[in-house]
Amino acid sequence: DAGVIQSPRHEVTEMGQEVTLRCKPISGHNSLFWYRQTMMRGLELLIYFNNNVPIDDSGMPEDRFSAKMPNASFSTLKIQPSEPRDSAVYFCASNLRWNTEAFFGQGTRLTVV
Amino acid sequence: DQQVKQNSPSLSVQEGRISILNCDYTNSMFDYFLWYKKYPAEGPTFLISISSIKDKNEDGRFTVFLNKSAKHLSLHIVPSQPGDSAVYFCAVPIQGAQKLVFGQGTRLTINP
Repeated sequence: DAGVIQSPRHEVTEMGQEVTLRCKPISGHNSLFWYRQTMMRGLELLIYFNNNVPIDDSGMPEDRFSAKMPNASFSTLKIQPSEPRDSAVYFCASNLRWNTEAFFGQGTRLTVV
Repeated sequence: DQQVKQNSPSLSVQEGRISILNCDYTNSMFDYFLWYKKYPAEGPTFLISISSIKDKNEDGRFTVFLNKSAKHLSLHIVPSQPGDSAVYFCAVPIQGAQKLVFGQGTRLTINP
C-alpha cells in the first residue's frame, strides 16, 4: 500500500477563494482524521470519520470549514471562503480503529495571501 | 482544553547524550499512549507506544516511561544521534469520543 495520500502538497490561494484538500486513506482502514498543525496547538484535530460517517467535528474552527467522506477511499476538507489565518499544514491520517496507530499523509501546506 | 500537554517547545542535546522528552495528561482513565516523530515536510510517523498496564516499554534506543500517579510520560533516547532531530508528539486515544489527540510537540535538536 502506498500509504495515506494527500493532494495537493502545496496550495497558494488568494483570500476569499475556495480551497479543497484531498485525502486517500490506507485501504481497509476504518477511521480517518483531519488535523491542522500550528505552532500554538501542535496537531489540532479538526474532524474525524468512522466508517465514512463524521463522528466529531467540534474541532472545525468555523462554518467556513467542511469535510466529506463520500466513500471509504476518499475524503475532502473544504475551506470557503479562505482567510490568511487558515494558512497552515493540514494532515490527513487513517487507522484500523480509533485507538490504534494512525498513519499520516505528507500533508498539504496551505498559504492564503 | 489540552488533554495532553508538552510543556517544552524545544530541546537541544549533544550527540551521544540522553534526550528526555516529557508529556503530561489530564485524565487518569487514559490507558494507551503513543509517541510520534515528525521531520520537516513529512507527516508524523509512529515511534513507540505504551499501555497503562506497563510502566516502561523499550525499543532499541527509545524507551517510554509511564508514571500513572503523576499522569506523566517521558520518552528517552540514548544515545542521541543527529538523525533524531525532529519534532516529537505524544498522543492519546480518547475512549468514548473515539479520537486520537496530540500534544503541542517538542522540537529536538541533536548537536554534533
